[in-house]
Amino acid sequence: GDSVTQMEGPVTLSEEAFLTINCTYTATGYPSLFWYVQYPGEGLQLLLKATKADDKGSNKGFEATYRKETTSFHLEKGSVQVSDSAVYFCALSDPSTGANSKLTFGKGITLSVRP
Amino acid sequence: DGGITQSPKYLFRKEGQNVTLSCEQNLNHDAMYWYRQDPGQGLRLIYYSQIVNDFQKGDIAEGYSVSREKKESFPLTVTSAQKNPTAFYLCASSINRAITEAFFGQGTRLTVV
Repeated sequence: GDSVTQMEGPVTLSEEAFLTINCTYTATGYPSLFWYVQYPGEGLQLLLKATKADDKGSNKGFEATYRKETTSFHLEKGSVQVSDSAVYFCALSDPSTGANSKLTFGKGITLSVRP
Repeated sequence: DGGITQSPKYLFRKEGQNVTLSCEQNLNHDAMYWYRQDPGQGLRLIYYSQIVNDFQKGDIAEGYSVSREKKESFPLTVTSAQKNPTAFYLCASSINRAITEAFFGQGTRLTVV
């Protein structure tokens, strides 16, 4: 079945540091890929998405490129801020599953940014 | 504003009692989902519904029940059969079964004492 694997956390960075959060996936077909962010005590918000190979999703300074050859969708930001402290989830939806299409999530990783 | 509303935000119940969590959306989405979030385990799918009057079990449906009598509503009942009900519950919706984006509610934190 479909699965998403995220790097182990938590991650602690200083403000303005470079961020990379790794995400790899296994899917039957050609999935759409997502990064969601969760701030403390809240639901999830879509951060960015990519629907086909080589697409780059971007938002709020974050970027991720859909790499079919390495089945990866790593999240990057050039300069993190304290306000980026949150939990980040990688997810996929696989349209080849047809009637059972659903979102599959990784375990999430907590990012803390120090001033 | 369109969105998903979960209520209440915090819920306390005694062990052995059934409890129903509310989820309402005004996005005119066909598909709705319930996830459970536990520390270190990410999100796990409980139930989902792709159309009114139809729903399917997710990965951890035991001890839960749902209904989908109206397009905008997808309530989740946590029954006394659920062995570890204390968790953060998230409701989501997408425009249809081909998920290009899912929208989430703010969540309900259920504590069973």
